[in-house]
Amino acid sequence: GEDVEQSLFLSVREGDSSVINCTYTDSSSTYLYWYKQEPGAGLQLLTYIFSNMDMKQDQRLTVLLNKKDKHLSLRIADTQTGDSAIYFCADSVDDKIIFGKGTRLHILP
Amino acid sequence: NAGVMQNPRHLVRRRGQEARLRCSPMKGHSHVYWYRQLPEEGLKFMVYLQKENIIDESGMPKERFSAEFPKEGPSILRIQQVVRGDSAAYFCASSRDRAVTNTEAFFGQGTRLTVV
Repeated sequence: GEDVEQSLFLSVREGDSSVINCTYTDSSSTYLYWYKQEPGAGLQLLTYIFSNMDMKQDQRLTVLLNKKDKHLSLRIADTQTGDSAIYFCADSVDDKIIFGKGTRLHILP
Repeated sequence: NAGVMQNPRHLVRRRGQEARLRCSPMKGHSHVYWYRQLPEEGLKFMVYLQKENIIDESGMPKERFSAEFPKEGPSILRIQQVVRGDSAAYFCASSRDRAVTNTEAFFGQGTRLTVV
C-alpha cells in the first residue's frame, strides 16, 4: 500500500537551518504536505506543495519536491526554539491523507 | 469561525466499557476524517465520512469500532468494549471538499483515550 517514510529524529543548533526529508511511494499524489505537532496538541498545516511544482518558499520554510525520486524535503531557515516539534510529511492518496511517523526536531542552544 | 472541535479532550475508560468521541467540523465543512495516533507513531487513517455516508472505512478495525456523521450534530467515533490497545490519541479533521482536491484539511486538538 501507500507508504510515507521519514527519519525519526533531527537535532539542530539554534540559528542553523533544519532539513527534514521524506520519501513516499504513491505516484498519483496530488498534494504533499508538511504538518507540525507540538506536545499535546493537534496538527497544524505548515505548508503544502502541488505535485507539478518542484519548489515552494514561504517565509522561513522551503519545500523541495523531486517527483522522479519521490522525495520531499522541508527546510526551516534560522531555526528557533519555537520550532521544536514533530514534523509530519503527508501525501494525498485517493480520499485520504497518509502520514509518515514524524520527525522529532530538537533544538540545541 | 471556530476550528474543528473535538470532545472530550481526555477520556478514561475501563476495559470493556464503551468510548464515544465527538467531532464537530468547521462551519461549511461536510467531509470528516478520523485518524488514530498510537504513542510514538504517526497518524493512521481510520475512516472518511460525508454527511450521513461512510465513504472509506478501510482503516477501521473490523470489530468494535464504528463511525457516523449524521445530518445534524457532530461526527461520532464509537469504540465498544475497549481494550488497553485502544489507548491512543484520536484526531478528527474536516475539509470543505474531498482531501485529494482540497489543499487543506483542518485538524482538531484530538481526544486522548486511556484504557485502564
